[in-house]
Amino acid sequence: AQSVTQLGSHVSVSEGALVLLRCNYSSSVPPYLFWYVQYPNQGLQLLLKYTTGATLVKGINGFEAEFKKSETSFHLTKPSAHMSDAAEYFCAVSTLNDYKLSFGAGTTVTVRA
Amino acid sequence: NAGVTQTPKFRVLKTGQSMTLLCAQDMNHEYMYWYRQDPGMGLRLIHYSVGEGTTAKGEVPDGYNVSRLKKQNFLLGLESAAPSQTSVYFCASSYLGGPYGYTFGSGTRLTVV
Repeated sequence: AQSVTQLGSHVSVSEGALVLLRCNYSSSVPPYLFWYVQYPNQGLQLLLKYTTGATLVKGINGFEAEFKKSETSFHLTKPSAHMSDAAEYFCAVSTLNDYKLSFGAGTTVTVRA
Repeated sequence: NAGVTQTPKFRVLKTGQSMTLLCAQDMNHEYMYWYRQDPGMGLRLIHYSVGEGTTAKGEVPDGYNVSRLKKQNFLLGLESAAPSQTSVYFCASSYLGGPYGYTFGSGTRLTVV
């Protein structure tokens, strides 16, 4: 079965600083990888996804993630944090023919003024 | 363009009462899911459905029942609510399972007293 591990349950960054959220996956077959964002008191929204092809994936709100097979990683980055980026972020993995996504435990991002 | 709609958004129940949470999607998705989200425990899958008329157990099905009589609707029932079922419940739908990602509803905050 596939799984993801998100390193760090809380990340605090200054406004304008780099945001880096780490996600490592475990899968014996090619993975499909996702990042979701949850703003306070809301549902989860898709930020970006990797299926096949280009390993650098661009998403909404200036976020991007790079699939690195050799490192089994799919880290999420944003060059310059905004106050509006304060939220919880979830990494998720699936594989072909899997009925569901497997989610990480989530990383809460706070942005300091 | 509603996506996934959950009703109600908030509910307070007394121990032993019953209720039904409704999830409706207008995207013609085959798969639907019910998750609960608790602090420090991430998202846990309660039940899911891979098509109209089908349901299956997830990780934490005890105390819940589901039905999918129509493709667009997925109902989650609590027959006899317990304080341990205090949580935020999310419904999600997917075109054909994990590799396609999910669309989430905005959640139902349930408190059992």
